[in-house]
Amino acid sequence: AQSVTQLDSQVPVFEEAPVELRCNYSSSVSVYLFWYVQYPNQGLQLLLKYLSGSTLVKGINGFEAEFNKSQTSFHLRKPSVHISDTAEYFCAVSKDTGRRALTFGSGTRLQVQP
Amino acid sequence: GAVVSQHPSWVICKSGTSVKIECRSLDFQATTMFWYRQFPKQSLMLMATSNEGSKATYEQGVEKDKFLINHASLTLSTLTVTSAHPEDSSFYICSERSGGSSYNEQFFGPGTRLTVL
Repeated sequence: AQSVTQLDSQVPVFEEAPVELRCNYSSSVSVYLFWYVQYPNQGLQLLLKYLSGSTLVKGINGFEAEFNKSQTSFHLRKPSVHISDTAEYFCAVSKDTGRRALTFGSGTRLQVQP
Repeated sequence: GAVVSQHPSWVICKSGTSVKIECRSLDFQATTMFWYRQFPKQSLMLMATSNEGSKATYEQGVEKDKFLINHASLTLSTLTVTSAHPEDSSFYICSERSGGSSYNEQFFGPGTRLTVL
């Protein structure tokens, strides 16, 4: 079985500052990795995903993430955040075989302050 | 990407009543849909996998007789919370898994907030 750990439950940051949201996973098989964003009372929106190939993945809204197999990490970064980036961010993994349902981390609340 | 809708977006019901939540794939035929539950300030937890034309597969700890899932067509899956109680109050989100590609990406609905009084 796979699991996902998001080390920070909340990350406060000032507008235009860089941010990194941490995600570590564990799995006995190869996995696909995802970052989703959830705005209040809304569903999930895919930010980016790693399936294979280049370990640096670029997503929407200026976010990027780097897959590090040796450290089993998939940290999300943005060089300059905006107020509108305030939301809940979820890291998720899916096995590359079988049902491929997603296993989510506990989420990180990004709070961008002016 | 695919578009998934849910209805209703929110519902309030009395304890003991049943509530049906619909999940529709608007532009894709989804052979598989997933139902997740999210309690306040917590992550999404998979409840069950819904397969078109067959019985749903429930995760450990999820009562199949309480959370009835029907996936009668390729565009519609329904979740019925039977005899709802206040502890069933939660945000329910469905997702569909697109087929026909090397990886079956998931697309999420906007969620349904259920409040049981």
